[in-house]
Amino acid sequence: EPEVTQTPSHQVTQMGQEVILRCVPISNHLYFYWYRQILGQKVEFLVSFYNNEISEKSEIFDDQFSVERPDGSNFTLKIRSTKLEDSAMYFCASNGDSSTDTQYFGPGTRLTVL
Amino acid sequence: SQKIEQNSEALNIQEGKTATLTCNYTNYSPAYLQWYRQDPGRGPVFLLLIRENEKEKRKERLKVTFDTTLKQSLFHITASQPADSATYLCALDNSSGGSYIPTFGRGTSLIVHP
Repeated sequence: EPEVTQTPSHQVTQMGQEVILRCVPISNHLYFYWYRQILGQKVEFLVSFYNNEISEKSEIFDDQFSVERPDGSNFTLKIRSTKLEDSAMYFCASNGDSSTDTQYFGPGTRLTVL
Repeated sequence: SQKIEQNSEALNIQEGKTATLTCNYTNYSPAYLQWYRQDPGRGPVFLLLIRENEKEKRKERLKVTFDTTLKQSLFHITASQPADSATYLCALDNSSGGSYIPTFGRGTSLIVHP
């Protein structure tokens, strides 16, 4: 069964450094998402992406964050200057030909900012 | 303010019994409500979606109800098994006519004892 994959599984970085989290959505999906989950907290929406542009973003998704689909398969989340409070699990998700379809989540990248 | 409330205390039940989890919400008018399963360190896995005009949805041992008057959804697992032990998240549609944006509750942990 096709699945969303994410790399790396765990990223450790120093405060102020840039990180890029990578996702490969399911191949025929058109809608892509990033979420984060701080340890012990709820899953929070960051951004949705469709047709090569951001369609929705939350208040969390400030100027430090950006997303890109550099080629036909990858979907990336960049954090320009990481802060301690960016430490969380970051989940990528994708869904098919409608934004109301079921979203399929990847296994997540655990980001630790020291 | 908008709130999604799920029991923060873990639900402990014996194998074979029916587990019932509750999701209450305020200040939302969701077109959809979804239930997800999340295992430790993993991404959410979609289980069921119920629309605002549906009262009940079933899938194998799972049943979801949606009462838009009470602003509540109940999630039932019948004949529960230890493998059902996980955190169960409800998520509401919080879109403003654009892309579907699920807003998640914090989840309730279910522990099924053999």
